[in-house]
Amino acid sequence: KAGVTQTPRYLIKTRGQQVTLSCSPISGHRSVSWYQQTPGQGLQFLFEYFSETQRNKGNFPGRFSGRQFSNSRSEMNVSTLELGDSALYLCASSPGQNYGYTFGSGTRLTVV
Amino acid sequence: GEDVEQSLFLSVREGDSSVINCTYTDSSSTYLYWYKQEPGAGLQLLTYIFSNMDMKQDQRLTVLLNKKDKHLSLRIADTQTGDSAIYFCAERARGSYIPTFGRGTSLIVHP
Repeated sequence: KAGVTQTPRYLIKTRGQQVTLSCSPISGHRSVSWYQQTPGQGLQFLFEYFSETQRNKGNFPGRFSGRQFSNSRSEMNVSTLELGDSALYLCASSPGQNYGYTFGSGTRLTVV
Repeated sequence: GEDVEQSLFLSVREGDSSVINCTYTDSSSTYLYWYKQEPGAGLQLLTYIFSNMDMKQDQRLTVLLNKKDKHLSLRIADTQTGDSAIYFCAERARGSYIPTFGRGTSLIVHP
């Protein structure tokens, strides 16, 4: 059974650009969540999608957005990148509320 | 509000037991989780415990839950160098789909 796949693994962007990150969940998992991980703030919840609908949203500015497709694959987009957006972005999928997450290996975004 | 706290570092000798502690504030927590993150990787679910349990054992791992004190611990028996990683505690409140994570405890195992 394939795990959660995130692409790309590494990304370098300049300030002001926009970026799209991709996540393919485990087959059958309909819930996909995104987290930002930084040394200073730890794991911060961005949003969660279920059946193509954003079900929960964290406390991030509107520059951060996402979507989920009918095959449960998800993308997140960050527009007008800032230096502080440099982080490891983790995607996690789950088969349901009473189960833990399976995380991908993350996308390391560096903004210069 | 929800808050999960862990100490930042723990150093143990190979072969000893490690105990990683976590406290949480939400009394409606239903599930509590332990995740492990190795360098350059995502988080791996190690084990979880439902709030009506007070202990769960899985091979070298023992989870203890003191619901009255809102305290969760993870004991790793016979700690090996391969156990060196960051360990995250997380809790999920009743009615919430989203777990709250602690900042993680960096476990260093030395020979």
